[in-house]
Amino acid sequence: DGGITQSPKYLFRKEGQNVTLSCEQNLNHDAMYWYRQDPGQGLRLIYYSQIVNDFQKGDIAEGYSVSREKKESFPLTVTSAQKNPTAFYLCASWTYTGELFFGEGSRLTVL
Amino acid sequence: GQQLNQSPQSMFIQEGEDVSMNCTSSSIFNTWLWYKQDPGEGPVLLIALYKAGELTSNGRLTAQFGITRKDSFLNISASIPSDVGIYFCAGDPIRNYGGSQGNLIFGKGTKLSVKP
Repeated sequence: DGGITQSPKYLFRKEGQNVTLSCEQNLNHDAMYWYRQDPGQGLRLIYYSQIVNDFQKGDIAEGYSVSREKKESFPLTVTSAQKNPTAFYLCASWTYTGELFFGEGSRLTVL
Repeated sequence: GQQLNQSPQSMFIQEGEDVSMNCTSSSIFNTWLWYKQDPGEGPVLLIALYKAGELTSNGRLTAQFGITRKDSFLNISASIPSDVGIYFCAGDPIRNYGGSQGNLIFGKGTKLSVKP
């Protein structure tokens, strides 16, 4: 079945460590997005990519990095520079008909 | 920046009751989307609206794209316990260059609780 797969579902990080969240889609969508979700807040855009080998910063890009080497894959690295990384992270891809589809999310906890 | 005001923030209703929630903005939108999110899961798209005045149903759910293009509402009829979750709206704003990058604006959600 077509969809967006995020892994891992749960991730624990020690302070000072970088971690990478995986996002893979087989929907043949060009545009992919990473959002951060905190309790009681709306989704906040971290990074997005409209096409392979190109990506743009969103509203809260500091402390994060991404790559887009393949159309299907858009991994997010949470670096040690991100001071408050504990959150629920959502990957999404967008159709040109105007619909955004989400993965199941990854919950990152800093120990 | 652009914002969506979603209300109510939470609702606690009896099973069988109808539910209504809405989103408003000072900006004009090309598209309105409504999602449901269960705890610990990703949001699932319920309904997508593309034209001002459009009224679309998905089972017991009905959503409308406001005539002014600045608002939308979602109704759930005859609620059942599995309707519990957070519902949120998202809009694709009209941008100066006329195109769309899919950078949606999101409401903060309406938390629905259903009492059997």
